[in-house]
Amino acid sequence: GESVGLHLPTLSVQEGDNSIINCAYSNSASDYFIWYKQESGKGPQFIIDIRSNMDKRQGQRVTVLLNKTVKHLSLQIAATQPGDSAVYFCAENRAQAGTALIFGKGTTLSVSS
Amino acid sequence: GAVVSQHPSWVICKSGTSVKIECRSLDFQATTMFWYRQFPKQSLMLMATSNEGSKATYEQGVEKDKFLINHASLTLSTLTVTSAHPEDSSFYICSATRGANVLTFGAGSRLTVL
Repeated sequence: GESVGLHLPTLSVQEGDNSIINCAYSNSASDYFIWYKQESGKGPQFIIDIRSNMDKRQGQRVTVLLNKTVKHLSLQIAATQPGDSAVYFCAENRAQAGTALIFGKGTTLSVSS
Repeated sequence: GAVVSQHPSWVICKSGTSVKIECRSLDFQATTMFWYRQFPKQSLMLMATSNEGSKATYEQGVEKDKFLINHASLTLSTLTVTSAHPEDSSFYICSATRGANVLTFGAGSRLTVL
């Protein structure tokens, strides 16, 4: 059966494939979620965000899905490119606006040509 | 817009010395700044929340006397690692917000304590 919320520390894909990165968050009161990309030696870079009143949001080549029932978040990257290789983190806002983001475990995405 | 700058980007110091890291919001006023710490191949761990003009709020397990945070203006927060030891070697990242959940991260500062 499907393993909802399964976090993989690494994901290897071929260029052009679609990538799916999963994240399980901890706080049912969190109302805002963000996916970040971090390249080696650099700070996190914003990719896409979603609020708890939505279950899907699309950007350019990226889609974020939110399942509040099982506290699961996923990032889908279409037509993955070598430049997408990085560590991806999901982050949740703990409570109301203005509080810090709490980061989940990262997933290292490796894209081969 | 919304650029956050950290300085220095890399610092090496001797054990027992203190190191100051600056976090500046270049083109906006940051009401709140956050300091994170990241060990190799691990996630970002929140250390403290810093509000301009008030004392920082530290996360559980973070020594406030070890990691001094000063947020003297709306564009500058500093983190001072006092009496640094090799176990303090890490990647320190700040982020700043104008409010409404919008966080901008700095490029990080890598501290190596010999």
